[in-house]
Amino acid sequence: GIQVEQSPPDLILQEGANSTLRCNFSDSVNNLQWFHQNPWGQLINLFYIPSGTKQNGRLSATTVATERYSLLYISSSQTTDSGVYFCAVFTPYGNNRLAFGKGNQVVVIP
Amino acid sequence: ETGVTQTPRHLVMGMTNKKSLKCEQHLGHNAMYWYKQSAKKPLELMFVYSLEERVENNSVPSRFSPECPNSSHLFLHLHTLQPEDSALYLCASSQVPSWTGSRYNEQFFGPGTRLTVL
Repeated sequence: GIQVEQSPPDLILQEGANSTLRCNFSDSVNNLQWFHQNPWGQLINLFYIPSGTKQNGRLSATTVATERYSLLYISSSQTTDSGVYFCAVFTPYGNNRLAFGKGNQVVVIP
Repeated sequence: ETGVTQTPRHLVMGMTNKKSLKCEQHLGHNAMYWYKQSAKKPLELMFVYSLEERVENNSVPSRFSPECPNSSHLFLHLHTLQPEDSALYLCASSQVPSWTGSRYNEQFFGPGTRLTVL
């Protein structure tokens, strides 16, 4: 099946800093989602972005489908940004399921 | 209530117990999913229902039994579980199933049930 790799696996940020999370995938996709999992386990939808660029407040995402990667930017980080960020992709050439990466564990310290 | 809800949020059960997890979506979606999230592992898809019909069973042991009585409700019946089944169980829904190349296959997740099997 499709491989999804996220980097860096762990990131510690000072409050107010900016960061970039990366998601590489091994096949063409027609669905890419970024999620934030909070400490209580809830997966919160951040972006649906199979291609192009989107922004939502301090977060933005870019997917370059032809080069098989997506980036999630966090600007002016806050402690509430702490948690695990997951990239999930769906390829029509695979096994018909949304494939998740292992996540980026982000800790924002005050 | 809005979005996707799950009950209970926490469950502790013995290996001989029978329990059920419940998921309800208030989004008018037609596809629902069960995922398992174990420590240090990616989310694993367990079951997919589309229009109340099971369309995927990802080689899940028979001690997990799903039920989808209508497009808004999804259950996961548990019996004779093992300690290694302890995990966070997440329910999700989408307007159309994930294999459709449509904008409407975006999945939305519930808060999860944290299950501990003793």
